[in-house]
Amino acid sequence: ETGVTQTPRHLVMGMTNKKSLKCEQHLGHNAMYWYKQSAKKPLELMFVYNFKEQTENNSVPSRFSPECPNSSHLFLHLHTLQPEDSALYLCASSQDGSVINQPQHFGDGTRLSIL
Amino acid sequence: GEDVEQSLFLSVREGDSSVINCTYTDSSSTYLYWYKQEPGAGLQLLTYIFSNMDMKQDQRLTVLLNKKDKHLSLRIADTQTGDSAIYFCAERGGGATNKLIFGTGTLLAVQP
Repeated sequence: ETGVTQTPRHLVMGMTNKKSLKCEQHLGHNAMYWYKQSAKKPLELMFVYNFKEQTENNSVPSRFSPECPNSSHLFLHLHTLQPEDSALYLCASSQDGSVINQPQHFGDGTRLSIL
Repeated sequence: GEDVEQSLFLSVREGDSSVINCTYTDSSSTYLYWYKQEPGAGLQLLTYIFSNMDMKQDQRLTVLLNKKDKHLSLRIADTQTGDSAIYFCAERGGGATNKLIFGTGTLLAVQP
């Protein structure tokens, strides 16, 4: 496999469920990102990890909990979500999150629907 | 604040040129990017330009940057039906991290 892989591709969950989104990159990158893409809104950066350390939390509600066990894997743990959290969640990676002009490579996203 | 704006929709005929426009507000932006998103897929990096350049050409793609007006454009020559997608302009935000600020995207529809 190459590139950035996200699983699952689609997820439907109730507001009381707990689930996790997974992202894996095979590019040898050290920075990983979570974005939220909602209809008619620009992509919103949620979290940035660089060398496994969280370097940015863009005022994301605590019902979203990221985890980066190593530079190749990134998780987004979900609990007690709201209907407005329904969106496409995109993962990206880049060589180094603190160096400018490091193009970000995106996965195909997880389409999340909250019932 | 940082803001990136794009027109929402562009329709062209196959074989024509497409020009997608973008304006941004952060004058300190060093790099500007164009991404393409096809239905059901993530974002694919098309090209990027450094702020000290006026133009960059890559096969059918031409990027023009007017730094004075904070205006960026993407020209696609000989547009094909496979070019139908949403195109996002992004600027590198301020600060130490590699943070991108995205526009709302322009839906390009190519008519056969």
